Amino acid sequence: QVQLQESGPGLVKPSETLSLTCAVSGYSISSGYYWGWIRQPPGKGLEWIGSIYNSGSTYYNPSLKSRVTISVDTSKNQFSLKLSSVTAADTAVYYCARREIYGSGPFDYWGQGTLVTVSS
Amino acid sequence: QSVLTLPPSVSAAPGQKVTISCSGSSSNIGNNYVSWYQQLPGTAPKLLIYDNNKRPSGIPDRFSGSKSGTSATLGITGLQTGDEADYYCGTWDSSLSAGVFGGGTKLTVL
Repeated sequence: QVQLQESGPGLVKPSETLSLTCAVSGYSISSGYYWGWIRQPPGKGLEWIGSIYNSGSTYYNPSLKSRVTISVDTSKNQFSLKLSSVTAADTAVYYCARREIYGSGPFDYWGQGTLVTVSS
Repeated sequence: QSVLTLPPSVSAAPGQKVTISCSGSSSNIGNNYVSWYQQLPGTAPKLLIYDNNKRPSGIPDRFSGSKSGTSATLGITGLQTGDEADYYCGTWDSSLSAGVFGGGTKLTVL
C-alpha cells in the first residue's frame, strides 16, 4: 500500500525558507508517477503548488514559481519542497501526494498533511 | 479567486440526491479530465472521481461524475450524514501548465 508522510519544521520565521520532505513507502518513486505538493490555508481551499517526475521534470504554480523548488531523491524514495521568503500568507497545511503521469491525472494517494505556521 | 468555480455550500436531506457543479474554461475543464475529492473534517482529501466519471476502487456507486463542455458535475445519491464534507474539483490548466482546484463546496446533510 502506498503511503506518504510529510515532515519538517512546524514553525518558520517570516522571510525564511520553508522546507518539507515527503517520504514515500510502498512504491518506488523511480517507477513512475508525478509527485506533488498541495497546501490549504486554515479554513480555506486547496492550492496546487507543484509536482515533479523521477527525472526531475517539474511543473509549478505560476503564482508561486519564483519562490518554489521541488526536488526528488530517488535513493531515499522521497521528494522535497522549498518555499523561500515566506510570509504569514504561507501558513497552511501542506500535503504531499502522488499524481498520475498525464497532465490532468488525479492525486490518488495523499499524506496526512503537516501544518506550517509562519510567525516570528 | 480560484480558477475553477464551485458553489460555497449545498445541502440536502438524508436519502436525497445532490449535485455539485464545477465551472471552468476551455483551457482547463474544456480540454482536460476532471477529478473530484472529498475532504472530511480534519483529514486529507480523498480521491472520489477521476477522468471525469471513473471511481477508484472502494468508492461506492452513490458517487458519480460527468462533464459537459467547460463544466463538470459531481452527483451523490442516497445521502448519508457521513457524506458531510468539503468537496473539491481539480484538473489541469493548459494555459498555466499547472494544476488547479475549485474553491471547495461544503455539503450539509440536514
